Parts: sequence; C-alpha cells; structure tokens
Amino acid sequence: AQKITQTQPGMFVQEKEAVTLDCTYDTSDQSYGLFWYKQPSSGEMIFLIYQGSYDEQNATEGRYSLNFQKARKSANLVISASQLGDSAMYFCAMRERDGYNTDKLIFGTGTRLQVFP
Amino acid sequence: DVKVTQSSRYLVKRTGEKVFLECVQDMDHENMFWYRQDPGLGLRLIYFSYDVKMKEKGDIPEGYSVSREKKERFSLILESASTNQTSMYLCASSTWFGDTGDTGELFFGEGSRLTVL
Repeated sequence: AQKITQTQPGMFVQEKEAVTLDCTYDTSDQSYGLFWYKQPSSGEMIFLIYQGSYDEQNATEGRYSLNFQKARKSANLVISASQLGDSAMYFCAMRERDGYNTDKLIFGTGTRLQVFP
Repeated sequence: DVKVTQSSRYLVKRTGEKVFLECVQDMDHENMFWYRQDPGLGLRLIYFSYDVKMKEKGDIPEGYSVSREKKERFSLILESASTNQTSMYLCASSTWFGDTGDTGELFFGEGSRLTVL
C-alpha cells in the first residue's frame, strides 16, 4: 500500500496566484515527520519545508506553508504568490523508522507544477 | 557549503557491464541512501547505510549492491547492468532525527543519469 499519496500528477497555476499541492500519508507511528522537496528541471532536490507530527502549528517558510491535518493524515503544500521559478516537480515525503531503528524517507510520486504568466 | 557529490552526472553503459556509482558527503552524516527516480514512480529507496560497513535493503534492492568502507563514501554497484536499470540515481545523506533538533532531512547529490544499452 502506498504510504505517501500525491494524487495530482500535474497542476497549472497563473503567476501571483496561490496553489495547493495535495499529499496524504499512511502510518501507525506516533512520531513521524513530513517533508516537501522541489526538483527543478536541472534535477537537484531542494528541501522546502518540514512538519513534525507533534508540532501544533502549521509549518511556514516564506511563501511555502504546510497545511497539516493530522486526523485526516494530510500534509498539503501551499505556495502563495506563485512565481515562474516555482515551475518544477514537487515531492512529498514521510520519515519513518524501520526495524533497525534507522530513519528513512519514503517519497510520493510527485506533482509537476507549471506556472504560467 | 555542505555537499553531497556524485561522481558522474551522465553514464552510458552496455548490458552486462559492471557499473559503479560513487557518492561522497562532507557533512559527517551517519546515514547515507541510494534512491532511484523514474517518471510516475517517484523516488524509490534501493539501499541505505547507517554506519560504516553497515547496509540495509530498501524497497527495490534486486540487482544492486552497495559498499560503505568509509563514513563519507557510499557506492552503488550494478553487478550486471540491464536495460531496466536505466534511470536517475540519487544519493543522499542525513543525520539522525532528534540529534540537536535535526529533522532527519535528506541532503541530496545532483543525481546520476544512467543509460544501459
């Protein structure tokens, strides 16, 4: 079963508008973390934002915010005031601890965002 | 500037060849990871290592092996490359979640795009 689900393969948004990228997750752990990464066409993975499962406030980093709804197991990324440079692939990921007590990140399939003028 | 460096950005190999993908990090991180990225499938974990000479299988280890002889270096080995191993390979490193407030965020290299003919 998918542990991280991103249901939007592609999204379009006009410049200066806000956009929400969806992410739902599945875990039975009480302690976990959720991440969003951006991957431009150049290929590097850029960390955007982090939300811990015990954090009561939604995480924010500049124009990025994470809409964390724990009961619904969703961790949507909101980008406000989109810019042309936001066009990229976006990945949601969850930190989980395996049987060896090692933390690893499980990724979703990604959403390709295109910002148009 | 902290860095994860992958030895080759682009490689072209023939079926049956032995392929080495090298990754070096300068952040003194305990954990290192190899992911494979394919369109529509996101990032899938191949192998990871939480200490020198230690390795653990990820979700898709078949056809791959790894080596970690030094803390800063983690190598991915394709013993006999096949066409279905044509992909983008991403190396990453992290420290332990909870260490001095760390989130377990992954720091990625630039990726190695492997084509097997």
